Amino acid sequence: DVKVTQSSRYLVKRTGEKVFLECVQDMDHENMFWYRQDPGLGLRLIYFSYDVKMKEKGDIPEGYSVSREKKERFSLILESASTNQTSMYLCASSLILQDGLNTEAFFGQGTRLTVV
Amino acid sequence: GIQVEQSPPDLILQEGANSTLRCNFSDSVNNLQWFHQNPWGQLINLFYIPSGTKQNGRLSATTVATERYSLLYISSSQTTDSGVYFCAPLNQAGTALIFGKGTTLSVSS
Repeated sequence: DVKVTQSSRYLVKRTGEKVFLECVQDMDHENMFWYRQDPGLGLRLIYFSYDVKMKEKGDIPEGYSVSREKKERFSLILESASTNQTSMYLCASSLILQDGLNTEAFFGQGTRLTVV
Repeated sequence: GIQVEQSPPDLILQEGANSTLRCNFSDSVNNLQWFHQNPWGQLINLFYIPSGTKQNGRLSATTVATERYSLLYISSSQTTDSGVYFCAPLNQAGTALIFGKGTTLSVSS
Protein backbone atom coordinates (compact mmCIF):
# COMPACT_ATOMS: atom_id res chain seq x y z
CA ASP A 1 0.00 0.00 0.00
CA VAL A 2 1.11 3.52 -0.76
CA LYS A 3 1.87 5.48 2.35
CA VAL A 4 2.12 9.26 2.46
CA THR A 5 2.97 10.57 5.89
CA GLN A 6 2.80 14.15 7.10
CA SER A 7 4.92 15.01 10.10
CA SER A 8 2.20 16.67 12.22
CA ARG A 9 -1.57 16.36 12.53
CA TYR A 10 -1.99 19.64 14.38
CA LEU A 11 0.32 22.64 14.56
CA VAL A 12 -0.02 26.02 16.23
CA LYS A 13 2.43 28.77 15.26
CA ARG A 14 2.78 32.47 15.89
CA THR A 15 2.51 35.19 13.25
CA GLY A 16 5.89 35.84 11.66
CA GLU A 17 7.37 32.43 12.48
CA LYS A 18 9.01 30.31 9.78
CA VAL A 19 7.05 27.08 9.50
CA PHE A 20 8.06 23.77 7.91
CA LEU A 21 5.52 21.13 6.95
CA GLU A 22 7.09 17.81 6.05
CA CYS A 23 5.77 15.02 3.86
CA VAL A 24 7.30 11.62 3.14
CA GLN A 25 6.13 8.94 0.68
CA ASP A 26 7.36 5.35 0.52
CA MET A 27 6.43 4.31 -3.03
CA ASP A 28 9.19 5.90 -5.10
CA HIS A 29 6.72 8.30 -6.73
CA GLU A 30 8.15 11.04 -8.91
CA ASN A 31 5.37 13.54 -8.27
CA MET A 32 4.60 15.20 -4.98
CA PHE A 33 2.06 17.92 -4.25
CA TRP A 34 0.96 20.38 -1.58
CA TYR A 35 -2.67 21.50 -1.38
CA ARG A 36 -4.51 23.63 1.13
CA GLN A 37 -8.15 23.14 2.01
CA ASP A 38 -10.45 25.87 3.32
CA PRO A 39 -14.18 25.61 4.07
CA GLY A 40 -16.28 26.02 0.94
CA LEU A 41 -13.26 26.24 -1.37
CA GLY A 42 -12.26 22.63 -1.87
CA LEU A 43 -8.57 21.82 -2.28
CA ARG A 44 -6.28 24.28 -4.03
CA LEU A 45 -2.82 23.46 -5.37
CA ILE A 46 0.06 25.40 -3.82
CA TYR A 47 3.14 23.76 -5.38
CA PHE A 48 4.13 20.48 -6.93
CA SER A 49 7.37 18.74 -7.80
CA TYR A 50 8.02 16.15 -10.51
CA ASP A 51 11.61 15.35 -9.55
CA VAL A 52 14.29 16.06 -6.98
CA LYS A 53 15.09 19.78 -6.83
CA MET A 54 12.34 20.54 -9.37
CA LYS A 55 9.26 22.55 -8.44
CA GLU A 56 6.32 24.16 -10.18
CA LYS A 57 3.90 26.78 -8.86
CA GLY A 58 0.32 25.80 -8.47
CA ASP A 59 -2.68 28.09 -8.25
CA ILE A 60 -1.88 29.81 -4.94
CA PRO A 61 1.91 29.85 -4.35
CA GLU A 62 2.13 33.31 -2.76
CA GLY A 63 3.58 33.22 0.74
CA TYR A 64 4.92 29.67 0.34
CA SER A 65 8.05 27.96 -0.87
CA VAL A 66 8.97 24.28 -1.18
CA SER A 67 12.01 22.05 -0.99
CA ARG A 68 12.65 18.63 -2.49
CA GLU A 69 16.16 17.45 -1.71
CA LYS A 70 15.29 13.74 -1.74
CA LYS A 71 12.78 11.89 -3.89
CA GLU A 72 10.71 10.67 -0.95
CA ARG A 73 10.45 13.99 0.90
CA PHE A 74 8.67 17.22 0.01
CA SER A 75 8.61 20.17 2.39
CA LEU A 76 6.30 23.17 2.40
CA ILE A 77 7.74 26.32 3.93
CA LEU A 78 5.87 29.33 5.21
CA GLU A 79 8.61 31.98 5.31
CA SER A 80 6.67 34.28 7.65
CA ALA A 81 3.42 32.75 8.81
CA SER A 82 0.31 34.91 8.73
CA THR A 83 -3.18 34.35 10.11
CA ASN A 84 -4.60 33.93 6.61
CA GLN A 85 -2.45 30.83 6.25
CA THR A 86 -4.47 29.08 8.94
CA SER A 87 -5.77 26.07 7.02
CA MET A 88 -5.66 22.32 6.46
CA TYR A 89 -2.61 21.32 4.42
CA LEU A 90 -2.58 18.08 2.44
CA CYS A 91 0.34 16.39 0.75
CA ALA A 92 -0.01 13.88 -2.09
CA SER A 93 2.15 11.77 -4.39
CA SER A 94 1.74 9.97 -7.71
CA LEU A 95 3.74 8.28 -10.47
CA ILE A 96 4.43 9.73 -13.90
CA LEU A 97 3.51 7.47 -16.82
CA GLN A 98 5.60 7.21 -19.96
CA ASP A 99 3.16 9.51 -21.76
CA GLY A 100 3.81 12.13 -19.11
CA LEU A 101 0.45 11.84 -17.39
CA ASN A 102 0.00 11.18 -13.70
CA THR A 103 -1.28 7.98 -12.21
CA GLU A 104 -3.57 7.71 -9.19
CA ALA A 105 -2.66 10.19 -6.45
CA PHE A 106 -2.54 9.27 -2.75
CA PHE A 107 -2.86 11.72 0.10
CA GLY A 108 -1.41 12.08 3.56
CA GLN A 109 -3.57 12.50 6.64
CA GLY A 110 -3.37 16.31 6.58
CA THR A 111 -1.91 18.95 8.90
CA ARG A 112 -4.24 21.45 10.55
CA LEU A 113 -2.18 24.60 10.95
CA THR A 114 -3.35 27.46 13.12
CA VAL A 115 -1.43 30.74 13.03
CA VAL A 116 -2.14 33.00 16.00
CA GLY B 1 -8.08 26.01 -16.55
CA ILE B 2 -10.63 23.30 -16.05
CA GLN B 3 -13.64 24.22 -13.92
CA VAL B 4 -15.17 21.48 -11.78
CA GLU B 5 -18.72 21.64 -10.46
CA GLN B 6 -20.16 19.13 -8.04
CA SER B 7 -23.80 18.69 -7.18
CA PRO B 8 -25.60 18.70 -4.90
CA PRO B 9 -23.45 20.68 -2.45
CA ASP B 10 -25.19 19.04 0.51
CA LEU B 11 -27.14 15.82 0.84
CA ILE B 12 -28.97 14.41 3.84
CA LEU B 13 -30.07 10.78 3.77
CA GLN B 14 -31.58 8.17 5.99
CA GLU B 15 -29.59 5.00 6.42
CA GLY B 16 -30.39 2.55 3.64
CA ALA B 17 -31.15 5.17 0.98
CA ASN B 18 -29.42 5.38 -2.38
CA SER B 19 -27.85 8.50 -3.85
CA THR B 20 -26.11 9.87 -6.94
CA LEU B 21 -23.44 12.54 -6.81
CA ARG B 22 -22.57 14.40 -9.99
CA CYS B 23 -19.36 16.02 -11.21
CA ASN B 24 -19.29 18.24 -14.32
CA PHE B 25 -16.05 19.50 -15.80
CA SER B 26 -15.54 22.22 -18.36
CA ASP B 27 -13.05 20.53 -20.69
CA SER B 28 -11.86 17.11 -21.74
CA VAL B 29 -9.80 15.29 -19.14
CA ASN B 30 -7.38 12.38 -19.27
CA ASN B 31 -8.19 11.05 -15.86
CA LEU B 32 -10.38 11.56 -12.84
CA GLN B 33 -10.48 10.46 -9.23
CA TRP B 34 -13.20 10.32 -6.59
CA PHE B 35 -12.30 10.72 -2.92
CA HIS B 36 -14.12 10.49 0.39
CA GLN B 37 -12.87 12.78 3.13
CA ASN B 38 -13.62 11.32 6.54
CA PRO B 39 -14.37 13.43 9.64
CA TRP B 40 -10.67 13.41 10.58
CA GLY B 41 -9.70 14.99 7.27
CA GLN B 42 -8.13 11.98 5.59
CA LEU B 43 -8.79 11.72 1.84
CA ILE B 44 -9.61 8.15 0.97
CA ASN B 45 -9.30 6.99 -2.63
CA LEU B 46 -12.56 5.65 -4.00
CA PHE B 47 -12.09 5.46 -7.76
CA TYR B 48 -9.49 6.22 -10.40
CA ILE B 49 -11.73 6.36 -13.45
CA PRO B 50 -10.87 8.12 -16.74
CA SER B 51 -13.84 6.55 -18.50
CA GLY B 52 -16.37 3.75 -18.18
CA THR B 53 -17.83 2.26 -15.02
CA LYS B 54 -16.21 0.73 -11.96
CA GLN B 55 -17.76 -0.86 -8.90
CA ASN B 56 -16.46 -1.41 -5.39
CA GLY B 57 -18.99 -2.91 -3.02
CA ARG B 58 -21.87 -0.49 -2.48
CA LEU B 59 -20.16 2.22 -4.47
CA SER B 60 -19.84 2.59 -8.20
CA ALA B 61 -18.69 5.35 -10.52
CA THR B 62 -19.22 6.20 -14.17
CA THR B 63 -17.26 8.70 -16.21
CA VAL B 64 -18.45 9.84 -19.64
CA ALA B 65 -15.44 11.84 -20.76
CA THR B 66 -16.94 12.89 -24.10
CA GLU B 67 -19.85 14.51 -22.26
CA ARG B 68 -17.66 15.90 -19.49
CA TYR B 69 -19.24 14.38 -16.42
CA SER B 70 -18.77 11.69 -13.82
CA LEU B 71 -21.26 10.14 -11.41
CA LEU B 72 -20.74 8.46 -8.05
CA TYR B 73 -23.47 6.07 -6.88
CA ILE B 74 -23.86 5.10 -3.25
CA SER B 75 -26.33 2.33 -2.53
CA SER B 76 -27.77 1.30 0.85
CA SER B 77 -26.01 4.18 2.55
CA GLN B 78 -24.56 3.75 6.04
CA THR B 79 -23.69 6.32 8.71
CA THR B 80 -20.01 5.67 7.98
CA ASP B 81 -20.56 7.05 4.47
CA SER B 82 -20.94 10.52 5.96
CA GLY B 83 -18.30 13.05 4.99
CA VAL B 84 -17.29 15.08 1.97
CA TYR B 85 -16.99 13.55 -1.48
CA PHE B 86 -14.62 15.15 -3.95
CA CYS B 87 -14.30 14.74 -7.66
CA ALA B 88 -10.86 15.62 -9.06
CA PRO B 89 -10.00 15.47 -12.74
CA LEU B 90 -6.44 15.82 -13.96
CA ASN B 91 -5.60 19.30 -15.29
CA GLN B 92 -5.06 19.80 -19.00
CA ALA B 93 -1.30 19.52 -18.67
CA GLY B 94 -1.81 16.16 -16.98
CA THR B 95 0.30 17.24 -14.02
CA ALA B 96 -2.05 17.75 -11.07
CA LEU B 97 -5.59 17.13 -9.84
CA ILE B 98 -8.12 19.95 -9.87
CA PHE B 99 -10.74 19.65 -7.13
CA GLY B 100 -14.39 20.54 -7.03
CA LYS B 101 -15.85 22.05 -3.85
CA GLY B 102 -17.27 18.72 -2.83
CA THR B 103 -20.60 17.23 -1.80
CA THR B 104 -21.19 16.98 1.95
CA LEU B 105 -23.15 13.83 2.75
CA SER B 106 -24.85 13.24 6.09
CA VAL B 107 -26.37 9.83 6.72
CA SER B 108 -28.50 9.41 9.82
CA SER B 109 -29.69 6.19 11.46
